Amino acid sequence: KQEVTQIPAALSVPEGENLVLNCSFTDSAIYNLQWFRQDPGKGLTSLLLIQSSQREQTSGRLNASLDKSSGRSTLYIAASQPGDSATYLCAVWMDSSYKLIFGSGTRLLVRP
Amino acid sequence: DTGVSQNPRHKITKRGQNVTFRCDPISEHNRLYWYRQTLGQGPEFLTYFQNEAQLEKSRLLSDRFSAERPKGSFSTLEIQRTEQGDSAMYLCASSAGQGNEQFFGPGTRLTVL
Repeated sequence: KQEVTQIPAALSVPEGENLVLNCSFTDSAIYNLQWFRQDPGKGLTSLLLIQSSQREQTSGRLNASLDKSSGRSTLYIAASQPGDSATYLCAVWMDSSYKLIFGSGTRLLVRP
Repeated sequence: DTGVSQNPRHKITKRGQNVTFRCDPISEHNRLYWYRQTLGQGPEFLTYFQNEAQLEKSRLLSDRFSAERPKGSFSTLEIQRTEQGDSAMYLCASSAGQGNEQFFGPGTRLTVL
């Protein structure tokens, strides 16, 4: 059974710092991995999608990497801003399924 | 707005009542998903439609839950005889094909008193 873990569960940093969020999964037979952002009480906003054959994806200040063999992904946020404060979720799509399996998220606070 | 929409955004009901939620996916997306999210947790998969066919259901979807997508466009999720444990955010997502990016709606927050 696939399990997705995100560490740390919460993170507080001063504005301007570069930071890394971690995601690990137990079964490497994934089709792709998707990173989302969720603001309190809101739906999910897709940030980056990495196909299993890819190593990384970049969008603006965000960079996501994928090491499928070791079951790990990282989301790198450069020059963090208070507007980046949100919960960040990673999710994997298995080869044999139609659904996304989510981690519990990392709650990020960027202090001005 | 061409994103995924969900109605209502909030629903408060008394235990034992029936509730129905609606999801309108992105128009060209043939795949539609329902998830449930409780506080502090990631979303959990409930069910999946490809066009009008319901292809997968989670064991979380008890016999009190039913979902439909009658014409392969919008979908409804009905919960009968609601219980306090049903209180959660119900999220809908859609995608254009296998392995493609899933786009989520704003969710319907259900509170069962």
